[in-house]
Amino acid sequence: QKEVEQNSGPLSVPEGAIASLNCTYSDRVSQSFFWYRQYSGKSPELIMSIYSNGDKEDGRFTAQLNKASQYVSLLIRDSQPSDSATYLCAVRKEKSSGDKLTFGTGTRLAVRP
Amino acid sequence: DTEVTQTPKHLVMGMTNKKSLKCEQHMGHRAMYWYKQKAKKPPELMFVYSYEKLSINESVPSRFSPECPNSSLLNLHLHALQPEDSALYLCASSFIHRAGGADTQYFGPGTRLTVL
Repeated sequence: QKEVEQNSGPLSVPEGAIASLNCTYSDRVSQSFFWYRQYSGKSPELIMSIYSNGDKEDGRFTAQLNKASQYVSLLIRDSQPSDSATYLCAVRKEKSSGDKLTFGTGTRLAVRP
Repeated sequence: DTEVTQTPKHLVMGMTNKKSLKCEQHMGHRAMYWYKQKAKKPPELMFVYSYEKLSINESVPSRFSPECPNSSLLNLHLHALQPEDSALYLCASSFIHRAGGADTQYFGPGTRLTVL
């Protein structure tokens, strides 16, 4: 079982729709969770971080964390063609693990005009 | 300001060359990271420096040699690389909390390395 799993996609949604990206992780000691957006040929850009169970909203983005189910998601409302990118879920374990970020393989999102 | 800079943007080198990648940040971050990313794959951690000391080496071959000369700079020295080392090399940095854990990592734009 991979430590962090994501559906590779592509996830195709029409412009203006809600895009829902999902991520599961295997290690219960994981403490911090991040979503990065990566355009082709560019470096990862932080979209959201979440540390506690529940929802966290920032503009059109909402991150949801459920530690009991070991599940984190990212919702993108009013999707725009400029949101088309690969979305990487990343998980950080406790300090004793050396502050490693473990990435999922990423979900490719395509927003159709 | 959450900017991490990397130079050069592109690098082409032969297998016998010696070259260096440079990373710089002025955000006061005391943790710095090197990642390697191949096409259509997630970033793979190579090295972590905490307070200018190497804290993690993910069993990286010795042809990659990291160096952290001060709290703002991180270098990656390259020697005798192989064509399969061609990739995007990413630098990242983060705060370290007083309790010891690292905070959110911010990535630089990367260096696209091609080994001939």
